[in-house]
Amino acid sequence: DTAVSQTPKYLVTQMGNDKSIKCEQNLGHDTMYWYKQDSKKFLKIMFSYNNKELIINETVPNRFSPKSPDKAHLNLHINSLELGDSAVYFCASSQDSPGLGELFFGEGSRLTVL
Amino acid sequence: GQQLNQSPQSMFIQEGEDVSMNCTSSSIFNTWLWYKQDPGEGPVLLIALYKAGELTSNGRLTAQFGITRKDSFLNISASIPSDVGIYFCAGQLSPQGAQKLVFGQGTRLTINP
Repeated sequence: DTAVSQTPKYLVTQMGNDKSIKCEQNLGHDTMYWYKQDSKKFLKIMFSYNNKELIINETVPNRFSPKSPDKAHLNLHINSLELGDSAVYFCASSQDSPGLGELFFGEGSRLTVL
Repeated sequence: GQQLNQSPQSMFIQEGEDVSMNCTSSSIFNTWLWYKQDPGEGPVLLIALYKAGELTSNGRLTAQFGITRKDSFLNISASIPSDVGIYFCAGQLSPQGAQKLVFGQGTRLTINP
């Protein structure tokens, strides 16, 4: 059973389009995240949700809108895609007990904007 | 903001060699973690360190949480082909979980046959 699963794994689209990436975790974790990994492999947090509530919203364009229908799901919708949005987007989850900071990542969704 | 400097950026070694990489920060962290990313996969946690001075092993991997709380290192002994990948350090200040985890730039490990 996949712990953190995200779809699609690959996404190729034209500039200006709107696209969504879905994420689900079956670990019973309270917190979910979206990370962006650029071509240099740098991992940067975008959003964090705890029990459906937005906790972290880093400096991300308004074109990116996360949605958490329940604590097991966190989707990412991107409007008006730009070339610079091309990257691998990772969903992750964690159980945030004190002293526990361990993330479980999905396999990533590679977005290519043409 | 908080930044982690991870070095080296890349390593090319022979199978069987030992590997050492480290991470330094300008800020104090309460938790240090080391992740490994295989090609086409998401990062996977290798070792988590929660106390300054802590030395923890996971098989051939050993990691330490620096006394100053501003650094950590990861050693891999007797490297094997499946050790190839990108290794990330990550630091966290908040005691309440993985929120605001800061990642290093990664160390890409290549093993020559």
